[in-house]
Amino acid sequence: SQQGEEDPQALSIQEGENATMNCSYKTSINNLQWYRQNSGRGLVHLILIRSNEREKHSGRLRVTLDTSKKSSSLLITASRAADTASYFCATARRGAGSYQLTFGKGTKLSVIP
Amino acid sequence: DTAVSQTPKYLVTQMGNDKSIKCEQNLGHDTMYWYKQDSKKFLKIMFSYNNKELIINETVPNRFSPKSPDKAHLNLHINSLELGDSAVYFCASSQGSREETQYFGPGTRLLVL
Repeated sequence: SQQGEEDPQALSIQEGENATMNCSYKTSINNLQWYRQNSGRGLVHLILIRSNEREKHSGRLRVTLDTSKKSSSLLITASRAADTASYFCATARRGAGSYQLTFGKGTKLSVIP
Repeated sequence: DTAVSQTPKYLVTQMGNDKSIKCEQNLGHDTMYWYKQDSKKFLKIMFSYNNKELIINETVPNRFSPKSPDKAHLNLHINSLELGDSAVYFCASSQGSREETQYFGPGTRLLVL
């Protein structure tokens, strides 16, 4: 069953503004990851936050995790036109020999120059 | 050098045909995956192999058969293609239980007519 649900489904902002995307999930997790997908391309890993962490930063990215609310947010500061892409959250659960990722439907971000 | 590669990039075929998609990774990972992304961008795990052994087999029609000849390759064979099989298929790899992030290939766009 689908685990992550992102909102909004689509977001359009001006270059330089901040973009915030949210993700909710249903079951317990080992970690939560955010991926970016440019149009017609594969997914690229952005950032991972473990279940015992509350906030993490990587460059212009800031991700938060609230395990009590089963939710996460991804903030992209000072957005650029090159940030235009779809962003997916994925919850990770440890399975036999690997971590199984369950993806949400994604947020389509458009950054207008 | 491409880390995870897939061939072909595009595949257009008639209903009822049998086709294969190939995936290779040069990252030295021991776990490989197949995902299906539908027209609404929803990404769902299909299979996962760890050290050539099948470890995840989601509810997928048995017309889909993965094969892993070695740790660096995971191919997907689809028999008797149906219209509903039209989607983008992504291969991914990770370092099993030691690394939670996954590295995705560029995708194979399958269109069944």
